[in-house]
Formats: sequence, C-alpha cells, structure tokens
Amino acid sequence: GAGVSQSPSNKVTEKGKDVELRCDPISGHTALYWYRQSLGQGLEFLIYFQGNSAPDKSGLPSDRFSAERTGGSVSTLTIQRTQQEDSAVYLCASSPWTGGGYEQYFGPGTRLTVT
Amino acid sequence: KQEVTQIPAALSVPEGENLVLNCSFTDSAIYNLQWFRQDPGKGLTSLLLIQSSQREQTSGRLNASLDKSSGRSTLYIAASQPGDSATYLCAVTTSGTYKYIFGTGTRLKVLA
Repeated sequence: GAGVSQSPSNKVTEKGKDVELRCDPISGHTALYWYRQSLGQGLEFLIYFQGNSAPDKSGLPSDRFSAERTGGSVSTLTIQRTQQEDSAVYLCASSPWTGGGYEQYFGPGTRLTVT
Repeated sequence: KQEVTQIPAALSVPEGENLVLNCSFTDSAIYNLQWFRQDPGKGLTSLLLIQSSQREQTSGRLNASLDKSSGRSTLYIAASQPGDSATYLCAVTTSGTYKYIFGTGTRLKVLA
C-alpha cells in the first residue's frame, strides 16, 4: 500500500514569508508525528497528533510554528515569518496508534531552504 | 531527559566485514527502540523495531539487540556490502511519551 507522502519535496522561500508543509499519513494510521532534521541539531521531535488533537507540542521551537490535522488524516505544518535557521528537512511519520510498541513509518521529507 | 548517543560517528570498512554499531540511551524506561538507515538526501527507512520486552530482532543480515538495564542496543551487520553504505540512526520512545528521541547517527561506508 501507499506509504507516508509529503509535499512539496523541496521548498525555497525568502526570509519573512510563510510556508505550509503537507503530510499524508498511511491510511488508517491514527498517530502522526512531525520531526525536523537540521545540520547542527540532528533529528528532533516537533509535535504529534492522536486523531485531530495534539497532546504534545513540546518540540515546536517558537510560536511561529503551528500544525493542524483534519479528518484524522492530512496534516499541515505552517511556519510564519520564516527565518534562515528554519532551513532544514521536515519529516513526517505515522503509526497505527500512539501505543509505545508501534513502529513509526517515515515520509521522504520536505527540504526547506530560507534565503 | 532522555539522551541517545551513537558510537562511532563514522565508520569505513572493506566489503565482507561483519560490523557492530552501538546505541546508548540514558533512561532505561523505554517503550521501544527502532533502527533506521538514511541514504543521502532521502528519508528514513525502518530496519528493525525492538519492543521493550524483547531482547533482539533479526532481518536478513541484520541483527539488533537490546539491553534495557544497561541502556544499550547494538546493530550487527553481517557480510557488509557497498549497498549498506548509509547513515544509521537509532531512536527510542520513553515511557510516558510517544515521540522518538534520535541518536546522532553512524555514517557507514563499505568499500568495494
């Protein structure tokens, strides 16, 4: 079946602009996660959803970052007033449930470059 | 706060060698540990998932072990091939949360 998909695959934006990154999880997966991979910080957690609610937003680096999920499926990560330090690869993952024993399946990522 | 460390940071071996990658974590109260590989410019490919009640998992030439009490996991790759060249990441979920904490990765190069 289809895996996790993300769009766009690459995004170049000017500093100060807003961007939206999209994630389509595996059908039927109730849990969805966003991570960020940057050169200086490695791979770090941003936020996760169980259904449409986000019990843990602890990884969002500032209030310029927000995310939503609708219909228990597609999720959008929005970055407002982008800064150069936001440049990174943004990865989305999904799993059948947030129970600790479940494997997370990752999408190919969106490479964001802020100029 | 859970911290995950991977040693070595980089490794270069000739084709055919057996090798071991190490992953250490500071909080032994984990739900599971997952090993991934990442090719340059690509996303993460899951290799093995070990749940907290398990001691090891095997898939083909790969074997991963878990010792929760000592906070360690090893990924054993048998008869390495140039196609195994990639960055290998381990990640753990700690009891009470569901997010992954990732290690810094081991960059493996297998020479033909």
